[in-house]
Amino acid sequence: EAQVTQNPRYLITVTGKKLTVTCSQNMNHEYMSWYRQDPGLGLRQIYYSMNVEVTDKGDVPEGYKVSRKEKRNFPLILESPSPNQTSLYFCASSFGGTSTSTDTQYFGPGTRLTVL
Amino acid sequence: GNSVTQMEGPVTLSEEAFLTINCTYTATGYPSLFWYVQYPGEGLQLLLKATKADDKGSNKGFEATYRKETTSFHLEKGSVQVSDSAVYFCALSSNDYKLSFGAGTTVTVRA
Repeated sequence: EAQVTQNPRYLITVTGKKLTVTCSQNMNHEYMSWYRQDPGLGLRQIYYSMNVEVTDKGDVPEGYKVSRKEKRNFPLILESPSPNQTSLYFCASSFGGTSTSTDTQYFGPGTRLTVL
Repeated sequence: GNSVTQMEGPVTLSEEAFLTINCTYTATGYPSLFWYVQYPGEGLQLLLKATKADDKGSNKGFEATYRKETTSFHLEKGSVQVSDSAVYFCALSSNDYKLSFGAGTTVTVRA
């Protein structure tokens, strides 16, 4: 089954404790992206990756890191989480290639993160 | 930069009522437009899309037409069901590898 998986689905942590949210897709997609969803703000893009070893900032990258060492995986790293990073996080992937403007993005189920 | 504005919710309807969710956008160039739907506890999934002016996207009884002259992409369904209760997001994508979303509209359909 074609899918995007995220782990963990729920996480409660404390300020400053490094964490990683994993994302994996089995569709051989080139493009992957991370979003955060907050009430009244919709989804905002954190980082995206056009292919292995190619990443770029989205609209809200501060406080986050990503890496793309393999095509299927795109982990999101919070080196020193703060309460304002409490949110619902989604990973997504799409076919990509030379242009992504017409692509359908496939979303993971989400990770609900609470930073105390 | 690109931006999407959609009508605020929540919207509450009775079954078989007509649904419209307004969406307008600001973008450079010729973006593609999307409607995504998020059912309770799930991730987003594509509902429909249109990639050029005057295109009509349709799926599951929902329709939206890409209107370049009014920079709009309003979502409509003629007769909603309880199963249509969800959050609906309008989004656009241009050739900069970014997808911009509206704030989302929560729709509740009552039996």
